[in-house]
Amino acid sequence: DVKVTQSSRYLVKRTGEKVFLECVQDMDHENMFWYRQDPGLGLRLIYFSYDVKMKEKGDIPEGYSVSREKKERFSLILESASTNQTSMYLCASSPSFGTAYEQYFGPGTRLTVT
Amino acid sequence: GEDVEQSLFLSVREGDSSVINCTYTDSSSTYLYWYKQEPGAGLQLLTYIFSNMDMKQDQRLTVLLNKKDKHLSLRIADTQTGDSAIYFCAESRGPGGYQKVTFGTGTKLQVIP
Repeated sequence: DVKVTQSSRYLVKRTGEKVFLECVQDMDHENMFWYRQDPGLGLRLIYFSYDVKMKEKGDIPEGYSVSREKKERFSLILESASTNQTSMYLCASSPSFGTAYEQYFGPGTRLTVT
Repeated sequence: GEDVEQSLFLSVREGDSSVINCTYTDSSSTYLYWYKQEPGAGLQLLTYIFSNMDMKQDQRLTVLLNKKDKHLSLRIADTQTGDSAIYFCAESRGPGGYQKVTFGTGTKLQVIP
């Protein structure tokens, strides 16, 4: 079974803090993604990576950065957390080959910025 | 840009059929998906349909696609309490490699015992 794990289920941070969200997948997938999930807005793509050290902006990259130094690990960084970044953050991974494009999701990190 | 819309909430009685609807705007959509998110969990792919198909059935699940109207639906027969979850419709332009997937807002299905 594909497993995508996220470092924390719940996180509370203060405004202005630097926040690291970690994601690890164990299936040697090339692609990894970070989304945020907000009620009524669904999932919105923040950043994705299709290879080690490669990254691409998604739909809402402002206020975020990412790092992918190893194939299995994709980190989301909030350089200076703000209250409008309070949200559920979901990491996903997918292979580059196949006849369908399934993404495998982690359980999510609920971040609260106070 | 691409847009995928769903109603936010659906309530059904246990044993009834549930129908969750979705509309999308991108005429280049090739793959359409239904994902399920149970409470406290990430999303899990339920089923997908290729755009040249009208229907796909998988046990209690039936997916209908009206490509002309850009309308996708998910029917769950004999709905059970374990089906209570948020259901996301999604679309992408192609298979394999990197393809951007656009997700809908999600429909929260409540099953009343």
